[in-house]
Amino acid sequence: SQTIHQWPATLVQPVGSPLSLECTVEGTSNPNLYWYRQAAGRGLQLLFYSVGIGQISSEVPQNLSASRPQDRQFILSSKKLLLSDSGFYLCAWSGPSGLSYEQYFGPGTRLTVT
Amino acid sequence: GDSVTQMEGPVTLSEEAFLTINCTYTATGYPSLFWYVQYPGEGLQLLLKATKADDKGSNKGFEATYRKETTSFHLEKGSVQVSDSAVYFCALSDGGSQGNLIFGKGTKLSVKP
Repeated sequence: SQTIHQWPATLVQPVGSPLSLECTVEGTSNPNLYWYRQAAGRGLQLLFYSVGIGQISSEVPQNLSASRPQDRQFILSSKKLLLSDSGFYLCAWSGPSGLSYEQYFGPGTRLTVT
Repeated sequence: GDSVTQMEGPVTLSEEAFLTINCTYTATGYPSLFWYVQYPGEGLQLLLKATKADDKGSNKGFEATYRKETTSFHLEKGSVQVSDSAVYFCALSDGGSQGNLIFGKGTKLSVKP
């Protein structure tokens, strides 16, 4: 069966510091991968998605970036965090353009920028 | 563009009450429809889905029917439990190759004993 991991689970970082969040998927090949952010008490905002290694699409201009160095690894980064980057970051995967399009989510990373 | 509209929350119910969370959508094609549930501090879990008109998705006592004529996918449960307290998200997929989902804003449900 497929599983998705995210780490760290929680993170407290000062303004201006770098960020690296990692997501890995097991038990599937060539998944589509997604990064979302969920601000407190609000809905989901799609940040990036990837349909293959090295292929990244950005949905929202910001100081975050994403990379996909391996088929089942997706990394969210920032060179300098802002207070507004605080939130709950969720990684998700889906099958590559299959018959159905449900996404499966990881446990999330709670980021607090101080 | 495609969009999903959910009823605003929060919704507070007593245990064993009937639940309905309304969801309507706007789409140019024939989307697949989903309900996700998020328990406090956790990621989203797929609750149920429907891929074509008149399909009924069901899981854990929850049901939703894909109504093309009313562009709706309302979530229902006959008797809620305290453990159903969570945020519920309605979503659609337009079937594009990137597999993007469009989510509603979420409805928070609180069930009191």
